[in-house]
Amino acid sequence: GAVVSQHPSWVICKSGTSVKIECRSLDFQATTMFWYRQFPKKSLMLMATSNEGSKATYEQGVEKDKFLINHASLTLSTLTVTSAHPEDSSFYICSASGASGNTIYFGEGSWLTVV
Amino acid sequence: LAKTTQPISMDSYEGQEVNITCSHNNIATNDYITWYQQFPSQGPRFIIQGYKTKVTNEVASLFIPADRKSSTLSLPRVSLSDTAVYYCLVGERSTGRRALTFGSGTRLQVQP
Repeated sequence: GAVVSQHPSWVICKSGTSVKIECRSLDFQATTMFWYRQFPKKSLMLMATSNEGSKATYEQGVEKDKFLINHASLTLSTLTVTSAHPEDSSFYICSASGASGNTIYFGEGSWLTVV
Repeated sequence: LAKTTQPISMDSYEGQEVNITCSHNNIATNDYITWYQQFPSQGPRFIIQGYKTKVTNEVASLFIPADRKSSTLSLPRVSLSDTAVYYCLVGERSTGRRALTFGSGTRLQVQP
């Protein structure tokens, strides 16, 4: 079946630095990818929709200048958390859907800890 | 997108059948019902998807009544490894460009 992979699985960074999380579709082309954020024991919250070759669409309340999304190819989307702060510490999950859109598959998630 | 309502939590014992019901009163004609499973610190995993009546695969069954205003995920003979959060989502199947909106999910705890 379709596989979506995220890297890194976990990352620790210092406040004020930027960190990049990659989301790859391994055996299909993903025209659209989605980025979610999840706090402990809470549900997934959609942050943005990433479309290949165009600007991402951000959900209300999500700062586009802080959470930079790039979807430069049909198999890769990246989320860059700029000038990270401790409150950005969270579990970030991406998902992808191929052209048929029948099922959306999720990555393994990436834990970000900002110290 | 149709809103879903699920029980916050459920408890069961190993070997029992578990049925988790989800309400989606304003489901649209083009909407499918999809269930995901999530373990701690992992991304959600697709379990099953259906439109109406009954769907069965190797891990679960999905029962959908004729009015489609609810659905029931059935897990036969659960084991400890089935302890997870289960999400019911409703949305158009063919629209891959639309994100899935997650509700609170049902936290299933399986006891030995």
